[in-house]
Amino acid sequence: DTGVSQDPRHKITKRGQNVTFRCDPISEHNRLYWYRQTLGQGPEFLTYFQNEAQLEKSRLLSDRFSAERPKGSFSTLEIQRTEQGDSAMYLCASRDGTPQETQYFGPGTRLLVL
Amino acid sequence: RKEVEQDPGPFNVPEGATVAFNCTYSNSASQSFFWYRQDCRKEPKLLMSVYSSGNEDGRFTAQLNRASQYISLLIRDSKLSDSATYLCVVNRGNFNKFYFGSGTKLNVKP
Repeated sequence: DTGVSQDPRHKITKRGQNVTFRCDPISEHNRLYWYRQTLGQGPEFLTYFQNEAQLEKSRLLSDRFSAERPKGSFSTLEIQRTEQGDSAMYLCASRDGTPQETQYFGPGTRLLVL
Repeated sequence: RKEVEQDPGPFNVPEGATVAFNCTYSNSASQSFFWYRQDCRKEPKLLMSVYSSGNEDGRFTAQLNRASQYISLLIRDSKLSDSATYLCVVNRGNFNKFYFGSGTKLNVKP
């Protein structure tokens, strides 16, 4: 499979627990994005990496959220002290550096915080 | 004001109908435009890019109106399989950030 992959696909956790999600982009893509999507809404931008550098971060991303891409390949998104409002689909997308090239999404991680 | 706005619908149309969606964007610096399709509980998938001169891909036609800051998607001869949510996406040109609309839901009925 040469597409974007995400793990886990589903996560149920209790409020206050920490969770970590992983994204493996398409191998030749050096740009990687994280989004959050809730029911009835479009994906909301969270953060963007170019190689290992985190170049942009949304104001939506509170200090409980952290993302890394240590070797410029896979990325992780960690949420600390989860809250019920964190329940959402977390989507990862990647693209190459070609101008006008769009991004390709992974299947997402669906998080439910009880 | 939201960066990208769409009519949420739903648009309920019979098979074979022609249906059109509009999407408005607020930032005149936006340079790249796309339509994505999202099926229920799935990830968004690129339907088509939108070029300044307008472009067509089979039954789908996309138009851009920079003066009025809107993008349109026209679907001809609707199929049952076209039922989905259609997301409008814009980018300001630096490709660091893509802005998504909330989506327009289309239901094509037999």
